[in-house]
Amino acid sequence: AQKITQTQPGMFVQEKEAVTLDCTYDTSDQSYGLFWYKQPSSGEMIFLIYQGSYDEQNATEGRYSLNFQKARKSANLVISASQLGDSAMYFCAMRGPNFNKFYFGSGTKLNVKP
Amino acid sequence: DSGVTQTPKHLITATGQRVTLRCSPRSGDLSVYWYQQSLDQGLQFLIQYYNGEERAKGNILERFSAQQFPDLHSELNLSSLELGDSALYFCASSVGSGRAYEQFFGPGTRLTVL
Repeated sequence: AQKITQTQPGMFVQEKEAVTLDCTYDTSDQSYGLFWYKQPSSGEMIFLIYQGSYDEQNATEGRYSLNFQKARKSANLVISASQLGDSAMYFCAMRGPNFNKFYFGSGTKLNVKP
Repeated sequence: DSGVTQTPKHLITATGQRVTLRCSPRSGDLSVYWYQQSLDQGLQFLIQYYNGEERAKGNILERFSAQQFPDLHSELNLSSLELGDSALYFCASSVGSGRAYEQFFGPGTRLTVL
């Protein structure tokens, strides 16, 4: 079975500070992909960052970076220099090896304080 | 704007009724995924189609069905609706190779069953 765990239902961070959102996963597959999505209060799902299981370097996309620790099966999202617009729900997700069956975690609600 | 369109945006209906949700993927994307997001819940994968054929099934109820048409748009049919079917239903699309591992989400259809 494949499973994504996000243990932080909610987090607060001060504007301009960095924040780490935790994600652990469970899979027996060797080939898989890990994603982070942002869902603002408006409801849409916005892709943030992707990490392939065979990628040796951690993925980065602007202020977002993914701290990928394969042996620990963790894929934490790091947001640097938080902005008020970063306040949203953040979902960690995993794709299985055959481009099918995406699995999402329960999400972390991030609140950025001014 | 992700390029994925979903109609209608909102749908209010009664228990026992049947509804159809429509999704048009991004131009060039062959895969369509359907997800259900209940209130304060993460996303539950329902089903995936690739170029007209069903590729994967998740937690989709027997009362629900989907199909992908030759023009690649997809429809999710929900029948014998129950109060618990009230949720935000997302469609996502991807090409299915390379960087297109990522899914692009539509704005969602909010279904309310009264």
